[in-house]
Amino acid sequence: DTGVSQNPRHKITKRGQNVTFRCDPISEHNRLYWYRQTLGQGPEFLTYFQNEAQLEKSRLLSDRFSAERPKGSFSTLEIQRTEQGDSAMYLCASSAEELGYGYTFGSGTRLTVV
Amino acid sequence: DQQVKQNSPSLSVQEGRISILNCDYTNSMFDYFLWYKKYPAEGPTFLISISSIKDKNEDGRFTVFLNKSAKHLSLHIVPSQPGDSAVYFCAASDRDDKIIFGKGTRLHILP
Repeated sequence: DTGVSQNPRHKITKRGQNVTFRCDPISEHNRLYWYRQTLGQGPEFLTYFQNEAQLEKSRLLSDRFSAERPKGSFSTLEIQRTEQGDSAMYLCASSAEELGYGYTFGSGTRLTVV
Repeated sequence: DQQVKQNSPSLSVQEGRISILNCDYTNSMFDYFLWYKKYPAEGPTFLISISSIKDKNEDGRFTVFLNKSAKHLSLHIVPSQPGDSAVYFCAASDRDDKIIFGKGTRLHILP
């Protein structure tokens, strides 16, 4: 395992349904981040974990969104009662303590709400 | 409020010439700056970074310049190659380990 893995790569769901995405970070990275990217925008911060602790949540993360990182390993991002505005690329990244190496991003999960 | 601004949505450069991508920021607390490169259907890839205590950092064909007084940084790619065609994101952090990204600049390298 040499990278950040995200599943699924694509998800099409009907409005009102719940969806869950998974991220497996690089094993020795203790920090894990979720970002969202919409067309024409850069990645927007959603939340991040250090080990299993969720340290910060963006105001973009409404009550319908919840993220977990049990045991400080993989993470899940759940969106309840999806809305068309939730359609975006959801990116996961991980990093070690030293920010100097930047984050390593996964390939993302593209969500389409119809 | 956009704290990291990339005002050029796209840029076209002849192969072999220098590509210069610009970025401005508003938050004076930012002390670490990064550039990421993104190909379609892939996540962003870290390219190069610079600490606020420096004004230049070079890595092969890539050089980042930081002008703190102007709150401006730029990425120079020389010589530009076809594989450099991608979207480039400028990003910044104030050391709370959260990176703020700009909207990106799409670079086209022309043959």
